[in-house]
Amino acid sequence: GQQLNQSPQSMFIQEGEDVSMNCTSSSIFNTWLWYKQDPGEGPVLLIALYKAGELTSNGRLTAQFGITRKDSFLNISASIPSDVGIYFCAGPWGGNTPLVFGKGTRLSVIA
Amino acid sequence: DTAVSQTPKYLVTQMGNDKSIKCEQNLGHDTMYWYKQDSKKFLKIMFSYNNKELIINETVPNRFSPKSPDKAHLNLHINSLELGDSAVYFCASSQDVGLGDTGELFFGEGSRLTVL
Repeated sequence: GQQLNQSPQSMFIQEGEDVSMNCTSSSIFNTWLWYKQDPGEGPVLLIALYKAGELTSNGRLTAQFGITRKDSFLNISASIPSDVGIYFCAGPWGGNTPLVFGKGTRLSVIA
Repeated sequence: DTAVSQTPKYLVTQMGNDKSIKCEQNLGHDTMYWYKQDSKKFLKIMFSYNNKELIINETVPNRFSPKSPDKAHLNLHINSLELGDSAVYFCASSQDVGLGDTGELFFGEGSRLTVL
């Protein structure tokens, strides 16, 4: 079935550290998206990637669309306590289909 | 004004009951969705509605029935609730089918359903 593999599953880091997480798929994706879910809230879009090799930043966040179109990574620099949450990669499985989501990376930041 | 709003936020009910969760979006989007998030936080698509037509129906039991009176509303009705239905249900909307221009889904805050 449709599957996006995210790693790591969870991370505990010190405030100020940089964070890296990634997402892989067995199939090609034409779009990669990164969402963040705060506790008790719905996911919110952080970064969208539309071209293989594309590198996009949003403040302290940087994401890249892998050349093979089967992977993507998200980096967070100089983490702060409000970065705590679950980060999901997502993409459309094909054509006009709803997004499928990875299993998420749970980030905890220790002040 | 909340872009995508769902009610109720919390719902506790007994097995066998029938319940509904309502969703409204004020973004003028054409497509609405229901996602289920289980206890491990996996997000799985249940339904997708475009201009009041069901366009995707994943392998969801027919006890679950989406109802869309107009393109701003997509309600979820669940019959004969089972223990395994306990989860957080998220409504979402997007400009177009699947993604639109930005790939952005706007999610509601979720409705936590607990079946006892």
